[in-house]
Amino acid sequence: AQSVTQLDSHVSVSEGTPVLLRCNYSSSYSPSLFWYVQHPNKGLQLLLKYTSAATLVKGINGFEAEFKKSETSFHLTKPSAHMSDAAEYFCVVIYSGGYQKVTFGIGTKLQVIP
Amino acid sequence: GAVVSQHPSRVICKSGTSVKIECRSLDFQATTMFWYRQFPKKSLMLMATSNEGSKATYEQGVEKDKFLINHASLTLSTLTVTSAHPEDSSFYICSARDMEEQETQYFGPGTRLLVL
Repeated sequence: AQSVTQLDSHVSVSEGTPVLLRCNYSSSYSPSLFWYVQHPNKGLQLLLKYTSAATLVKGINGFEAEFKKSETSFHLTKPSAHMSDAAEYFCVVIYSGGYQKVTFGIGTKLQVIP
Repeated sequence: GAVVSQHPSRVICKSGTSVKIECRSLDFQATTMFWYRQFPKKSLMLMATSNEGSKATYEQGVEKDKFLINHASLTLSTLTVTSAHPEDSSFYICSARDMEEQETQYFGPGTRLLVL
């Protein structure tokens, strides 16, 4: 079985402070992990992905995430929040074992306070 | 690269009519495309997996006769909502999987459907 847990449905940070969006997963096999961002009334944009290469993954807009197998986590971080980072963030697990199984987290809404 | 487009971006239709939504991969070939539905303030729900040249695979609870999917080429999949009802109003998002990059899905901008 495969599942994704985004621990916070809503995160609020001040502009210029660090961002931490948490994601834990469970999967019977080695998964590929992704973070996507969705701005209001828009589609999803790929931020970054982990596909069994380097465990620290750097993405666009200054975001990065670290795959920690021992903790089954893939938390998303950014050193300094910008107003334009306000959006919904989805952690996604994809297992490609013949039939590709995609599991979405419920999403975390990031609010950035000026 | 890896751009996916959807058309239309927004559509309003009367109850009982059919609406077609197109999903195109603009700069890559996609043997597999996915159709999702997103309810307000909710995550994405996978409706079906569309494979080029074969029948779509529908998720449990999704009516295949109501949501017709056609994947006629390596760059185009269409979703037709037949005999639309107000409860079909939603945000529909497609994604495409790059043949060269199997794990990654690239998402379209979404189509907002409102059925009156």
